[in-house]
Amino acid sequence: DTGVSQNPRHKITKRGQNVTFRCDPISEHNRLYWYRQTLGQGPEFLTYFQNEAQLEKSRLLSDRFSAERPKGSFSTLEIQRTEQGDSAMYLCASSPTARVGEQFFGPGTRLTVL
Amino acid sequence: GNSVTQMEGPVTLSEEAFLTINCTYTATGYPSLFWYVQYPGEGLQLLLKATKADDKGSNKGFEATYRKETTSFHLEKGSVQVSDSAVYFCALTMNSGNTPLVFGKGTRLSVIA
Repeated sequence: DTGVSQNPRHKITKRGQNVTFRCDPISEHNRLYWYRQTLGQGPEFLTYFQNEAQLEKSRLLSDRFSAERPKGSFSTLEIQRTEQGDSAMYLCASSPTARVGEQFFGPGTRLTVL
Repeated sequence: GNSVTQMEGPVTLSEEAFLTINCTYTATGYPSLFWYVQYPGEGLQLLLKATKADDKGSNKGFEATYRKETTSFHLEKGSVQVSDSAVYFCALTMNSGNTPLVFGKGTRLSVIA
């Protein structure tokens, strides 16, 4: 069990640029979640996958956000035309289906939009 | 919608003091309840959970009891250590875990020697 990994750990970009983050879940976990966390707040759900199927998307996930999980392994989260309000920590978590609510979180990718 | 409310922080305690962090929830139905902890520089990790009313979750000396009548899941520890300094998040999920976690805002705990 090597844990959930996320890359990059930090990303600084200029407003209007596109960014892509990667998450590698624990290998046997079929569920993968993306959350966003801003300072002083708890994580807010963005979207989640069961294997390669994207099952739910939050209203927080505007048209500029897209997530994929090809082949049910790693996942990518892309933000197009970034805005300053997108600055946040983006967290990825994975879980086995059978364990209720027990999610294993990665260290996060901190995005700063200038 | 479903939500979680935690006591405001930060909380500062001396080593060996008693800790309570209050958490209440609003949910349509009967959620499963969790406490997650985020140590400095680390990712969130599950501390304990309870899946039905009157269940008590416990781990590392921390305890929380699922109280349906008060819709609460308060976190307690009898004697905190400096190493317990972290941010603690209360969370819930519905439908036997088939919905994403809903988190509270977190409570920062600082324990001083």
